Amino acid sequence: QSALTQEASVSGTVGQKVTLSCIGNSNNIGYYAVGWYQQISHGAPKTVMFGNSLPSGIPDRFSGSKSGTTASLTIWGLQPEDEADYYCSTWDYSLSVQVFGGGTKLTVL
Amino acid sequence: EVQLVESGGGLVKPGGSLRLSCVASGFTFSSYSMNWVRQAPGKGLEWVSSITSSGSVTYYADAVKGRFTMSRDNARNVMYLEMNSLRAEDTAMYYCARELLGASLFDSWGQGTLVTVSS
Repeated sequence: QSALTQEASVSGTVGQKVTLSCIGNSNNIGYYAVGWYQQISHGAPKTVMFGNSLPSGIPDRFSGSKSGTTASLTIWGLQPEDEADYYCSTWDYSLSVQVFGGGTKLTVL
Repeated sequence: EVQLVESGGGLVKPGGSLRLSCVASGFTFSSYSMNWVRQAPGKGLEWVSSITSSGSVTYYADAVKGRFTMSRDNARNVMYLEMNSLRAEDTAMYYCARELLGASLFDSWGQGTLVTVSS
């Protein structure tokens, strides 16, 4: 069981907006910024968001936010190439470990 | 351009040992904390360990504590993961990841090296 909770799967059509969520607690998401990592076909992970900042080269269709102990990754204008597994992660200060969510499989219909 | 290249993976018997390496280039290696993250076949990402920029402090997941040791050589821009008493459940792709300064967020990843523990 993962320390952070993500939807197992989310789907959307091309051009749609989708939001992926990541639920933690006051010891992790409630305290630290959250990273979002995209993995296509079990290739190497790629960072698509850290906190609410967009890494260089990531389209501005991606945005990140946080409210209390829940972080969200929103993809606007969904594209076929966005189909991937997405993981959230942050530090947990009470456990002194980095924690990951179980991952969300995003399907573009 | 930031580059992280892992090596050292392979097939090892249960109870055996292996040392993974991650060579960094394109940035000031000694300024960044670094991490190892693994992914078992068909499973999600799992954090393994991290090391501060100077190498003075390390952190480990409970699943590997006491068996794995992370270290780094800032003069050679390389970090290591010494893995002992390997178990079948350690079978995974191991990725090295650079940590965004002071943030516990990963901004760059390597391509990974595969470790298979099997008799």
